[in-house]
Amino acid sequence: DGGITQSPKYLFRKEGQNVTLSCEQNLNHDAMYWYRQDPGQGLRLIYYSQIVNDFQKGDIAEGYSVSREKKESFPLTVTSAQKNPTAFYLCASSLNPRQGAYEQYFGPGTRLTVT
Amino acid sequence: AQSVAQPEDQVNVAEGNPLTVKCTYSVSGNPYLFWYVQYPNRGLQFLLKYITGDNLVKGSYGFEAEFNKSQTSFHLKKPSALVSDSALYFCALTYGSARQLTFGSGTQLTVLP
Repeated sequence: DGGITQSPKYLFRKEGQNVTLSCEQNLNHDAMYWYRQDPGQGLRLIYYSQIVNDFQKGDIAEGYSVSREKKESFPLTVTSAQKNPTAFYLCASSLNPRQGAYEQYFGPGTRLTVT
Repeated sequence: AQSVAQPEDQVNVAEGNPLTVKCTYSVSGNPYLFWYVQYPNRGLQFLLKYITGDNLVKGSYGFEAEFNKSQTSFHLKKPSALVSDSALYFCALTYGSARQLTFGSGTQLTVLP
């Protein structure tokens, strides 16, 4: 997990509330990613960013939003529009993907429970 | 469209025996393939990757994987399993300019003492 921090580790929210998950990296990586993990489904890509002030939707972006104002930070907001937000959320980063197929480094994850 | 399949949800092996975790893929063009491991309530740890070259790739903790283009497979192997290898293993391939990962559904490996 080294170099990428996610906070908090556990998060509880009431339905209808927006919530923001933090992701910070000190690896000087250009690219950052958000994935959602559900039991038996592997990981699915929510959003990704290759450079500051630019990001793209992944496979399941509906109900989520992101920002990339600093290279080190890529916060994810889970909005009330997300139909089933309870999941384990993982942030990752990598070196510049345009320069090679570099492995992604993952943070420890945030487990979000919405009731 | 690209996809990754891990046909076994669960693999059990005795400590000291060889282990194999299977992965097949589908992608147009050359695949870039990865294996990651996840311990309970933790993030994923990178084990190894295949980009090009030798079909046998060696990685962390004694793991290796064999790329087979004709069978579109990338099976993870280890000659002698340890109890501490028990974890959830994910195969993934990368695609696109941003190198987004597509993951298999994961295989739970249990090494029995």
